[in-house]
Amino acid sequence: QITLKESGPTLVKPTQTLTLTCTFSGFSLSTSGVGVGWIRQPPGKALEWLTLIYWDDDKRYSPSLKSRLTITKDTSKNQVVLTMTNMDPVDTATYYCAHFSSGLIDDAFDIWGQGTMVTVSS
Amino acid sequence: SSELTQDPAVSVALGQTVRITCQGDSLRRYYASWYQQKPGQAPVLVIYGKNNRPSGIPDRFSGSRSGNTASLTITGAQAEDEADYYCNSRDSSGNHRVFGGGTKLTVL
Repeated sequence: QITLKESGPTLVKPTQTLTLTCTFSGFSLSTSGVGVGWIRQPPGKALEWLTLIYWDDDKRYSPSLKSRLTITKDTSKNQVVLTMTNMDPVDTATYYCAHFSSGLIDDAFDIWGQGTMVTVSS
Repeated sequence: SSELTQDPAVSVALGQTVRITCQGDSLRRYYASWYQQKPGQAPVLVIYGKNNRPSGIPDRFSGSRSGNTASLTITGAQAEDEADYYCNSRDSSGNHRVFGGGTKLTVL
């Protein structure tokens, strides 16, 4: 059974750096075809893809946020860490991590964490 | 703006069939995946690939693609299907993921 859980601060101040950890179980991030992604959702708004890290350490970032994002993995700890610099109130959102299955012709975020709400305010 | 475009809202009578669409140039090359999100809950994958349902997803959910449009069809919509639905695929470069703006489905 695959599970993921996000953890980190619930409140950050503008200009600070946000660090979120996704701790997972039920799969290995060294298995071919596997990835972990981060997706966020501002209150009442749509999902927004942020970043994705693959089993081979290939990393992809949203072009609009690339300069502010870093994703890393610790395979031994079953964790993926997201850092986002220079936080702004518009970054207030629920942040989700999700297991990503990458196939030859189809792929999807097939299992999601419960999400963690992050508020940016002074 | 999103590279995948969805109608903001769609309604369907209980027991009838509804199609939710997602348009984008990248869909000519890549399949979309579809997610159901109910208030206060995390999204759940309902369709991926050509027309694949994860375990536990009712067979009234199906997917298709034609040209630059991916569709999620619910045949015999139930009250519990009322939710927001999002499509996801690669962007036009093929290197990044992108979500559609979401469709709010109301079951009347």
